[in-house]
Amino acid sequence: GDSVTQMEGPVTLSEEAFLTINCTYTATGYPSLFWYVQYPGEGLQLLLKATKADDKGSNKGFEATYRKETTSFHLEKGSVQVSDSAVYFCALSDRGGSNYKLTFGKGTLLTVNP
Amino acid sequence: DSGVTQTPKHLITATGQRVTLRCSPRSGDLSVYWYQQSLDQGLQFLIHYYNGEERAKGNILERFSAQQFPDLHSELNLSSLELGDSALYFCASSVSQGEGTQYFGPGTRLLVL
Repeated sequence: GDSVTQMEGPVTLSEEAFLTINCTYTATGYPSLFWYVQYPGEGLQLLLKATKADDKGSNKGFEATYRKETTSFHLEKGSVQVSDSAVYFCALSDRGGSNYKLTFGKGTLLTVNP
Repeated sequence: DSGVTQTPKHLITATGQRVTLRCSPRSGDLSVYWYQQSLDQGLQFLIHYYNGEERAKGNILERFSAQQFPDLHSELNLSSLELGDSALYFCASSVSQGEGTQYFGPGTRLLVL
């Protein structure tokens, strides 16, 4: 079945540091890929997405590129801020079947210190 | 604000009881998905409804059921509650029954004592 593996946290960085959160996936079809963010006490917000190979999703300084050859969708940001502290989830939606449910990774807690 | 609303925000109940969680999708969205977030299982898909009809089931227990009403709001019913049912329950909506971004509500935190 489908699965998503993302790097275990927690990740602690200083403000303005470079961020990478690794994500790899296994899917039977040709999935769409997503990064969601969950701020403390809130629901999930879509951060960015990519629907085909070599697409780059970007939002709020975050970027991720759909790499079919390595089945990866790593999240990057050049300079993190304290306000980026949250849990980040990598997810896929497999378009091969009729169920477009999201399959999530376990989440990575990011803490950014001033 | 995603436009998806969920009530109640918090729910505390006892084992063996039954509760109903409510979700209103974004205006114009026909699909509603339910997910459970727990510490040990992470985020797991439960069930998907499109325009009033069940479309797919995931890891949903037989004690749980859901429905989507003609006005498109959805309810998740949890019965014979156990301690292990304590979790955050999210609904998400999307415009279509297929590919489409899912927008999540703020969740209902259920605590079973």
